[in-house]
Amino acid sequence: GNSVTQMEGPVTLSEEAFLTINCTYTATGYPSLFWYVQYPGEGLQLLLKATKADDKGSNKGFEATYRKETTSFHLEKGSVQVSDSAVYFCALMIYNQGGKLIFGQGTELSVKP
Amino acid sequence: EAGVTQSPTHLIKTRGQQVTLRCSPISGHTSVYWYQQALGLGLQFLLWYDEGEERNRGNFPPRFSGRQFPNYSSELNVNALELEDSALYLCASGGRGADTQYFGPGTRLTVL
Repeated sequence: GNSVTQMEGPVTLSEEAFLTINCTYTATGYPSLFWYVQYPGEGLQLLLKATKADDKGSNKGFEATYRKETTSFHLEKGSVQVSDSAVYFCALMIYNQGGKLIFGQGTELSVKP
Repeated sequence: EAGVTQSPTHLIKTRGQQVTLRCSPISGHTSVYWYQQALGLGLQFLLWYDEGEERNRGNFPPRFSGRQFPNYSSELNVNALELEDSALYLCASGGRGADTQYFGPGTRLTVL
């Protein structure tokens, strides 16, 4: 089946530290990959996406590269801010397989000043 | 451009009651997706509507149902509420043939 596995949280970092949140997937087809972010009390915001192998998605200093050989889509940011504190979700969708996003369990990030 | 909107923001119901949640997609989007985010269970796909038709359904009982209107807005209905239905219900919309879903702020349902 199709699934997404994320590193467990919570992750606690100091401001300006380097961030990596690991995400690996299992898919029977050719997925598009996404990172969504959820701030406290809010819905999900699309952070970035990649639709094919070796694509790099980027937004607001965050980056992730679609690695087919390792079935991974790790999220990175060079220097985190307190305002980046949120829950981050990795997700996949396989076109023509029912339209649904399959999410990882989420990783909570807490950035301290 | 207005994003996905949902109403109400919060809702408190008692077991056995029925509830209707509403969602308006981004202008030009024809698909609406519903997800449940329950504590400890993560984000689970509920339903997908496109062009007024139900296209896919997640692993939820029939008391979860919905519809999509000609203006592409959507309702999610939950009958015979149970305590475990307490969750954040998220609606997302997407363009025709597109793979990206854009989420609304959610409706927080509490069942007592």
